[in-house]
Amino acid sequence: EAQVTQNPRYLITVTGKKLTVTCSQNMNHEYMSWYRQDPGLGLRQIYYSMNVEVTDKGDVPEGYKVSRKEKRNFPLILESPSPNQTSLYFCASSLMVLAGYNEQFFGPGTRLTVL
Amino acid sequence: GDSVTQMEGPVTLSEEAFLTINCTYTATGYPSLFWYVQYPGEGLQLLLKATKADDKGSNKGFEATYRKETTSFHLEKGSVQVSDSAVYFCALRSTNAGKSTFGDGTTLTVKP
Repeated sequence: EAQVTQNPRYLITVTGKKLTVTCSQNMNHEYMSWYRQDPGLGLRQIYYSMNVEVTDKGDVPEGYKVSRKEKRNFPLILESPSPNQTSLYFCASSLMVLAGYNEQFFGPGTRLTVL
Repeated sequence: GDSVTQMEGPVTLSEEAFLTINCTYTATGYPSLFWYVQYPGEGLQLLLKATKADDKGSNKGFEATYRKETTSFHLEKGSVQVSDSAVYFCALRSTNAGKSTFGDGTTLTVKP
């Protein structure tokens, strides 16, 4: 089944404790992206990657890191989480051929709480 | 930069009522436009899309037309069902395909 998977689905942590949220897709998509969803703010793009070893900032990259060492994986790293990073996070992927026309496929989300 | 403005919610309708959710955008170039739907506890999934001016996207009874002259992409459905209750997001994808911009989302509740 074609899908985007994220782990963990739920995470409660404390301020300053480094964490990684994994994202993997099995559709051979070149493009991957991370978003956060907050009430009243919709989805905001954190980082995206057009291909392996190519990443770029979205609208809200502060406090986050990403890496793209393999095509299928795109982990989101919070080196020192803070309470304002409490949010619902989504990973997404899409094809790059005629990329602007293509819809993104989303993972199920990771709900992160930073105390 | 690019932006998407959606009609504020929440929207509550009775079953079989007509639905319109307004969406307007600001973008450079010629973006593609999308409507995504998010059911409770799930990720977003594509509802419909349009890639050029005057294109009409349609799916599951929902429709939206890409209007370049009014920079709009309003979502419509003639007769909503309880199962249409969800959050709807309007989005655009820039011509360089890297950045995507989403609206704030509109929560629709349909009552029997």
